[in-house]
Amino acid sequence: AQTVTQSQPEMSVQEAETVTLSCTYDTSENNYYLFWYKQPPSRQMILVIRQEAYKQQNATENRFSVNFQKAAKSFSLKISDSQLGDTAMYFCAFMALTGANSKLTFGKGITLSVRP
Amino acid sequence: DARVTQTPRDKVTEMGQEVTMRCQPILGHNTVFWYRQTMMQGLELLAYFRNRAPLDDSGMPKDRFSAEMPDATLATLKIQPSEPRDSAVYFCASGWSSGRFYNEQFFGPGTRLTVL
Repeated sequence: AQTVTQSQPEMSVQEAETVTLSCTYDTSENNYYLFWYKQPPSRQMILVIRQEAYKQQNATENRFSVNFQKAAKSFSLKISDSQLGDTAMYFCAFMALTGANSKLTFGKGITLSVRP
Repeated sequence: DARVTQTPRDKVTEMGQEVTMRCQPILGHNTVFWYRQTMMQGLELLAYFRNRAPLDDSGMPKDRFSAEMPDATLATLKIQPSEPRDSAVYFCASGWSSGRFYNEQFFGPGTRLTVL
């Protein structure tokens, strides 16, 4: 079974600064996706970024980038130039590409507050 | 702009009443997932379907919960009878899968259920 661990329950960052959210996971699968989802107060789950395990290059989406360390099973999210609209809960999630484990396993989430 | 829709957005009911939540997956997606989100348990997978057939409902309390896909454009999650501990946000997500391969999931806005 897969597990996803987000050990920090909450973080705070000053607007325009950079913040890194941590995530570790455990799996015996070799082919999988890792995701970061954002859940603002509207509660909509929004996909922020996706990383395929077979890709060595870290994924980047505008101000959002990941540091994917496959051997260490670590998948952190870096938010640059933080904006007030980034205030939300952020969930790290794992999904195997094939077979019975092809369902999203979520971490407990981290609440990020961006201070003006 | 294709998206997953869910109704109702919010539901308040009394213990013992039947609750039905509906989901319309994105057109062309053949896999539908139901998740439940609570403060204590986080996001949990309840059940999922592929091509309208249930693949896994092991996360769902069988005695009171039931999930169906009457057709490719509608998925339902029913609770009968409802209990206060069922209070949560219920998310539907859809994606595409073939054989042992699964693609990423897109979430609906969720139904917030409150059972008094």
